[in-house]
Amino acid sequence: NAGVTQTPKFRVLKTGQSMTLLCAQDMNHEYMYWYRQDPGMGLRLIHYSVGEGTTAKGEVPDGYNVSRLKKQNFLLGLESAAPSQTSVYFCASTPNAQETQYFGPGTRLLVL
Amino acid sequence: KQEVTQIPAALSVPEGENLVLNCSFTDSAIYNLQWFRQDPGKGLTSLLLIQSSQREQTSGRLNASLDKSSGRSTLYIAASQPGDSATYLCAVRLRRGSTLGRLYFGRGTQLTVWP
Repeated sequence: NAGVTQTPKFRVLKTGQSMTLLCAQDMNHEYMYWYRQDPGMGLRLIHYSVGEGTTAKGEVPDGYNVSRLKKQNFLLGLESAAPSQTSVYFCASTPNAQETQYFGPGTRLLVL
Repeated sequence: KQEVTQIPAALSVPEGENLVLNCSFTDSAIYNLQWFRQDPGKGLTSLLLIQSSQREQTSGRLNASLDKSSGRSTLYIAASQPGDSATYLCAVRLRRGSTLGRLYFGRGTQLTVWP
């Protein structure tokens, strides 16, 4: 039981490049979330999903897209990376909206 | 919009001290509140989850209290150890929209416990 895993762990992009961050959970959780963490800002919600095939915008969704084609995977895409997207990205999952969220180890992204 | 504030932003204490970390939130209509621990370069680990109907939760040397009416929670750490050094984050889930499970996070308290 690996819990929540994220790939890659670290990535450097040039402005304008695209990439996809993968989040996978093996706990059969319905709800999944993508957050970004920036110094002095705390964690902010980017997008979330309340079940397979559903996605919704969070607090800071601009510049990102997501997909949840399979229950266990939640993908975060950056179509045209910008330096403002330099951050640490965390994925989380939970069986229902009222219980603890389980976090992945994070992906550090640097956009030059 | 829910605002979550944590005080102090940083704390440095000698081993053995009892500590209190503070969290305040602006919207008292919460569903529950969580305390997380984050080690440098790592993800978040849930420490305690307090439902809105509860006053406190305990786990080992940790005790979290909740005063929903005043919009405050405290995390008490007894007999602190160097291994407790980490950033502690407070997060609340609002009753409104609780089916979405969205958490609102504070910026955290960075704790250093020195031997």
